[in-house]
Amino acid sequence: EVQLVESGGGLVQPGRSLKLSCAASGFTFSNYYMAWVRQAPKKGLEWVATISTSGSRTYYPDSVKGRFTISRDNAKSSLYLQMNSLKSEDTATYYCARHRLQWPFDYWGQGVMVTVSS
Amino acid sequence: DIQMTQSPASLSASLGETVTIECRASEDIYSNLAWYQQKPGNSPQLLIYDANSLADGVPSRFSGSGSGTQYSLKINSLQSEDVASYFCQQYNNYPNTFGAGTKLELK
Repeated sequence: EVQLVESGGGLVQPGRSLKLSCAASGFTFSNYYMAWVRQAPKKGLEWVATISTSGSRTYYPDSVKGRFTISRDNAKSSLYLQMNSLKSEDTATYYCARHRLQWPFDYWGQGVMVTVSS
Repeated sequence: DIQMTQSPASLSASLGETVTIECRASEDIYSNLAWYQQKPGNSPQLLIYDANSLADGVPSRFSGSGSGTQYSLKINSLQSEDVASYFCQQYNNYPNTFGAGTKLELK
């Protein structure tokens, strides 16, 4: 059974940093792209980052480019999201999701809440 | 960026009814379209991919259709467990983009 378990969320002040983690199991992690998708409270879904199988290629929307960094450790079947210079508009539930190039997000974690507020 | 326009924003229907949700892309996405269901308090789940392929374990009352820029999700014989929000998503290009969602309630 595919399982994705996020951790590392919490309350952080604007301008500070936070690092999210996602532990994957139930599939060969190194064979899949992985992604982060977020959802602001009572809002829709926004793709945040994607990383290739080896980690050599990463993709971001303009809203987080230069502030967020996605990374992975295939030996640990783990995905990460380093978030710097956080803004109030980054407040959201962050989901880890399994992915491939030109493929939907076929499995999602339960999500972790990030609140950016002073 | 490709804009995804989803309609309606909310929908109220009776048990057993057939409902349709529409999604329009701002340019051709070559059927690289998915539909997700999100029940309150839960994470999204993949329903349909490649515009019309049913994801594993999804009941056959769900179906998807469309091509080019116009796509739709149909739910036949609405069940109480179908109360949820539904989102479309294009994965033809980065940034992958989502529709704003449709909240489906029981009448």
